[in-house]
Amino acid sequence: NAGVTQTPKFRVLKTGQSMTLLCAQDMNHEYMYWYRQDPGMGLRLIHYSVGEGTTAKGEVPDGYNVSRLKKQNFLLGLESAAPSQTSVYFCASVTRTSGYNEQFFGPGTRLTVL
Amino acid sequence: DAKTTQPTSMDCAEGRAANLPCNHSTISGNEYVYWYRQIHSQGPQYIIHGLKNNETNEMASLIITEDRKSSTLILPHATLRDTAVYYCIVRVDNAGNMLTFGGGTRLMVKP
Repeated sequence: NAGVTQTPKFRVLKTGQSMTLLCAQDMNHEYMYWYRQDPGMGLRLIHYSVGEGTTAKGEVPDGYNVSRLKKQNFLLGLESAAPSQTSVYFCASVTRTSGYNEQFFGPGTRLTVL
Repeated sequence: DAKTTQPTSMDCAEGRAANLPCNHSTISGNEYVYWYRQIHSQGPQYIIHGLKNNETNEMASLIITEDRKSSTLILPHATLRDTAVYYCIVRVDNAGNMLTFGGGTRLMVKP
């Protein structure tokens, strides 16, 4: 199993540009999450999904949209990027089978908005 | 979810046990204690979790006090690869719940 993968690994955007980050998991996990981590800080939840076709807002959802059209994929979109969205973005997934105990994280996407 | 308090940083000699404390004095009866770690530039990694009994797995041991207001993560024989930020998280084990990460403890294992 590849686990949780994220594409791209790095990206530089100009203010106002848009982009989509892709998270994919091959573990048949029901729940998926998008977090952001600013330098020297802990992770903060942006959006999450409890299943295919459903999404919900986390702690810091403004400026982001998400979609979960397929169980294995969770997309994070930035419609009009701002310098405040410069961060490292982590995706995670978890399964009901393990009692939701162990979230598996991807390697992260480093995004810089100029 | 209950708030946790951890020291900002700790050092440990390679081969010795690393004991990382966490205070969670407002923990509720149905909240679990979780530990994750984040090695530099990588995604967080689950280590262990518990409710009220001590727990042990291949990575670490978790000691929870009887009143559940604090806990200690023990890495029995720390190696240089254990250098990381360790996060203590308290939450209800419900479907769809999220992890709330605080500042964590930066553990430096030294030769």
